[in-house]
Amino acid sequence: EAQVTQNPRYLITVTGKKLTVTCSQNMNHEYMSWYRQDPGLGLRQIYYSMNVEVTDKGDVPEGYKVSRKEKRNFPLILESPSPNQTSLYFCASSLEAGGVQETQYFGPGTRLLVL
Amino acid sequence: DQQVKQNSPSLSVQEGRISILNCDYTNSMFDYFLWYKKYPAEGPTFLISISSIKDKNEDGRFTVFLNKSAKHLSLHIVPSQPGDSAVYFCAASWTDKLIFGTGTRLQVFP
Repeated sequence: EAQVTQNPRYLITVTGKKLTVTCSQNMNHEYMSWYRQDPGLGLRQIYYSMNVEVTDKGDVPEGYKVSRKEKRNFPLILESPSPNQTSLYFCASSLEAGGVQETQYFGPGTRLLVL
Repeated sequence: DQQVKQNSPSLSVQEGRISILNCDYTNSMFDYFLWYKKYPAEGPTFLISISSIKDKNEDGRFTVFLNKSAKHLSLHIVPSQPGDSAVYFCAASWTDKLIFGTGTRLQVFP
């Protein structure tokens, strides 16, 4: 089944404790992206990747890191989480490097609470 | 500064009637627009899109209209069905940027 998977789905952590949210797609997609969804703000792009070893900042990259060492995986790293990073996170992928103008396939989301 | 706005946080429509969801944008450089639908506990799913060179795109019960002069986008669902109850996000893109609106929660009641 073609899909984007994220792990974990739910996570409670404390301020300053490094964490990684994994994202994997099995569709051989070029483009991958991370978003966060917050009430009243919609979905905001954190980072995106046009291809392996190519990443770029989205609208809200502060406090996050990403890597794209292989095509299928695009982990989101929070080196020192803070309470304002409490949010619902979505990973997405699309076939072409054109990315945003292609249909993006979203993962199920990761709900993060930082205490 | 919200470049893509969905001013109605919620909309309630009777089954069988038309649902109209609206979206306004401020950046005239946007050249591609998309609508995504989101059910609770799931990721958004692509619904329909439109290029700035068109003013209408239709896919079954879903039609998107684009008014470039007004910087306005709308999604029409006819007829509305209970399964259409979800949050709808419009999104606008320019080069490699994609900006989402804040979403409109549509409820279709029997």
